[in-house]
Amino acid sequence: AQTVTQSQPEMSVQEAETVTLSCTYDTSENNYYLFWYKQPPSRQMILVIRQEAYKQQNATENRFSVNFQKAAKSFSLKISDSQLGDTAMYFCALPGGSQGNLIFGKGTKLSVKP
Amino acid sequence: DGGITQSPKYLFRKEGQNVTLSCEQNLNHDAMYWYRQDPGQGLRLIYYSQIVNDFQKGDIAEGYSVSREKKESFPLTVTSAQKNPTAFYLCASSMRPQNRSPNSGANVLTFGAGSRLTVL
Repeated sequence: AQTVTQSQPEMSVQEAETVTLSCTYDTSENNYYLFWYKQPPSRQMILVIRQEAYKQQNATENRFSVNFQKAAKSFSLKISDSQLGDTAMYFCALPGGSQGNLIFGKGTKLSVKP
Repeated sequence: DGGITQSPKYLFRKEGQNVTLSCEQNLNHDAMYWYRQDPGQGLRLIYYSQIVNDFQKGDIAEGYSVSREKKESFPLTVTSAQKNPTAFYLCASSMRPQNRSPNSGANVLTFGAGSRLTVL
């Protein structure tokens, strides 16, 4: 069964600094996508970035990038030049297989401090 | 603008009452999902539908029911059989189901703004 583990329930970072959020997962799939979603205080879930597992190059979206280690089944999110608006819950997710949904980790609450 | 609309944003229910949460999308997506979010639990799948007039139970379907009579609409009913219904409920959709192959998860989930249900 697919599983997603986020081992950091809470983290904080100073504005303008860099922070890395960890995610490990388990899946029997060979070709799949991995996702990071952000949930700000408004509680609207927003896609931050996604990675195709068969691509070796790490995905990047502006200040957000991932460190994808397929063999280790690790998918961490790096946020550079942190901004106050990055304060949110961050969820790692991967496809749930036959159920056709996404399986989410329990989330990391990130606080960006001025 | 295309998107997903959930209503109401806040809902209060008395013990023993059924309530229905609305989810409407104008993205022309085939697949729709309902998730429940509790503090420290992440998101858990309640029901999903890959096509009109068809739906399947997720991991925590007990005490919930759904219908999918129209492509745009996927309402969730929280019945009196749900013992702990106080939670935040999120509806999502994707263009096509997250098929197992060839690229599982190629279709991104788009979420609504959520509905907060509180049992009094």
